[in-house]
Amino acid sequence: DGGITQSPKYLFRKEGQNVTLSCEQNLNHDAMYWYRQDPGQGLRLIYYSQIVNDFQKGDIAEGYSVSREKKESFPLTVTSAQKNPTAFYLCASVTGGGLYGYTFGSGTRLTVV
Amino acid sequence: GIQVEQSPPDLILQEGANSTLRCNFSDSVNNLQWFHQNPWGQLINLFYIPSGTKQNGRLSATTVATERYSLLYISSSQTTDSGVYFCAVELRTSYDKVIFGPGTSLSVIP
Repeated sequence: DGGITQSPKYLFRKEGQNVTLSCEQNLNHDAMYWYRQDPGQGLRLIYYSQIVNDFQKGDIAEGYSVSREKKESFPLTVTSAQKNPTAFYLCASVTGGGLYGYTFGSGTRLTVV
Repeated sequence: GIQVEQSPPDLILQEGANSTLRCNFSDSVNNLQWFHQNPWGQLINLFYIPSGTKQNGRLSATTVATERYSLLYISSSQTTDSGVYFCAVELRTSYDKVIFGPGTSLSVIP
């Protein structure tokens, strides 16, 4: 079955560490997105990529980095520059942009210890 | 920029009750989608509804694009309906920008 896989489901980070969240899709979607969700809040866009080897900053990109070397994969690195990284991170993908067919992964819950 | 508002922010229902969730947006949009986020965090597409009315079982949605709002109806609610309901709108900008509303948190109690 086609879908989006995020791993790990839970991740713990020590102060000052970089961590990488994985997002893989086998839907042949062109565009991929990373969102951050804080408790009781909506979704805020971190980064997005419409094609391989190209990506753009979203509304809250500071302290994060991404790469898009393959169509199927869009990993997100939470760097030590991100001062408050504890949150729920969601990856999404869609063909050609827009809302039709927007599909989410199951999320990664990151906690700083 | 465009504002997307949802009401009510929180809702508690007795199982079997009906409810209406509202999404208002401040400018013209290309498309609108309703999502349900279950208690484990997974977001599921409910309705892709830029205009008109759609129904899927106990759920239905109506979008009146000219008046800039959409409604999600839940009838005969069940405990499995609990979670957060988001509406999202699509703008035609330099890319197909998607903006999410803040969500309505629904708890259905037995």
